[in-house]
Amino acid sequence: AQTVTQSQPEMSVQEAETVTLSCTYDTSESDYYLFWYKQPPSRQMILVIRQEAYKQQNATENRFSVNFQKAAKSFSLKISDSQLGDAAMYFCAYRSADDKIIFGKGTRLHILP
Amino acid sequence: DAGITQSPRHKVTETGTPVTLRCHQTENHRYMYWYRQDPGHGLRLIHYSYGVKDTDKGEVSDGYSVSRSKTEDFLLTLESATSSQTSVYFCAIRAGTLNTGELFFGEGSRLTVL
Repeated sequence: AQTVTQSQPEMSVQEAETVTLSCTYDTSESDYYLFWYKQPPSRQMILVIRQEAYKQQNATENRFSVNFQKAAKSFSLKISDSQLGDAAMYFCAYRSADDKIIFGKGTRLHILP
Repeated sequence: DAGITQSPRHKVTETGTPVTLRCHQTENHRYMYWYRQDPGHGLRLIHYSYGVKDTDKGEVSDGYSVSRSKTEDFLLTLESATSSQTSVYFCAIRAGTLNTGELFFGEGSRLTVL
């Protein structure tokens, strides 16, 4: 069975600085999708970024980018120019070939003004 | 707005009673998921469905059953609720373009089992 591990329960970053959240996963599949979701205090889950495993190019969405290392089974999220509105729980997620979508335990990100 | 509604949004019940949570979608998506969220555990997949009457177990399915008799509704049932099932339950539909399948979530149902 696939697993997703987020080793940083909490992180803090100064406003306007850059922060990287880590995610590793375990799988024997070669084709899959990876996601980062954000959950602000409102509790609503919001997709931040997605990555197809067959694509070598790292996904980027404005200030958010990933470092996808398929061989190492690593999928980290980099947030540039951190803003107060980025404060949230961030979840890494894996979608398997049988359409299960599983999540890591999350990283709570604090933005320091 | 992905057209997902969960009901009830809040429920308090007693140990041993049956509970059913409903997830309703208005956009005819094939895939639907039930998760529970607990502090320190993130979101854990309970069951998911890939079509009418087609369901499969997730990571934490014990004590839960699901049914999907029509595309728009995915029901989660706790046959005999226990205190360990106190949680926030999220329903999600899988949508998105290019088959990447991002999830759109409901607003959550907070269940307290006394």
